[in-house]
Amino acid sequence: GDSVTQMEGPVTLSEEAFLTINCTYTATGYPSLFWYVQYPGEGLQLLLKATKADDKGSNKGFEATYRKETTSFHLEKGSVQVSDSAVYFCALSDQSQAGTALIFGKGTTLSVSS
Amino acid sequence: NAGVTQTPKFRVLKTGQSMTLLCAQDMNHEYMYWYRQDPGMGLRLIHYSVGEGTTAKGEVPDGYNVSRLKKQNFLLGLESAAPSQTSVYFCASSYEYSGNTIYFGEGSWLTVV
Repeated sequence: GDSVTQMEGPVTLSEEAFLTINCTYTATGYPSLFWYVQYPGEGLQLLLKATKADDKGSNKGFEATYRKETTSFHLEKGSVQVSDSAVYFCALSDQSQAGTALIFGKGTTLSVSS
Repeated sequence: NAGVTQTPKFRVLKTGQSMTLLCAQDMNHEYMYWYRQDPGMGLRLIHYSVGEGTTAKGEVPDGYNVSRLKKQNFLLGLESAAPSQTSVYFCASSYEYSGNTIYFGEGSWLTVV
């Protein structure tokens, strides 16, 4: 079945450092790919998404490119801030299977210190 | 601007007790979902619904029941709570096809002692 694998955390960075969180997927159809962020004590919020190969999603300085050849959707940010400390989830949905929900990775905790 | 609202936010249950979590959305979404979040496990789908009057099992449905009597509401029931059901529960909704953005509630923290 479909699955998402993302790098284990926690990831600890200093402010202004470069961030990469790796995400790879397995899917039988043509998935859309998402990054969600969860701040402490809150629900998940959509950070960015890409619906087809070579699309780049971007938001709040974060970006990720849908790479079909490597089945990857790595999250990057050039200069992280303390306020970026959160748990990041990579997810996919397979649009060829109507009625299916998002399939999530296990999450990567990011901690940014000043 | 409510979006997806879950009640209650916190609850402590004794083993064997029953309870219902209520999810309400005001975005006229067809699809609704219940997930549970456990440390190191990410989010796992419990049940989902593709429209009023329909429900379907997700990845971890055992011990839970759901109902979607009205389009805007999706109820998650625990008939006989077990400590293994201690978790954070998230409701979510989306338009048809989950390729559209899914919107999450703020979560319900449930502890079963």
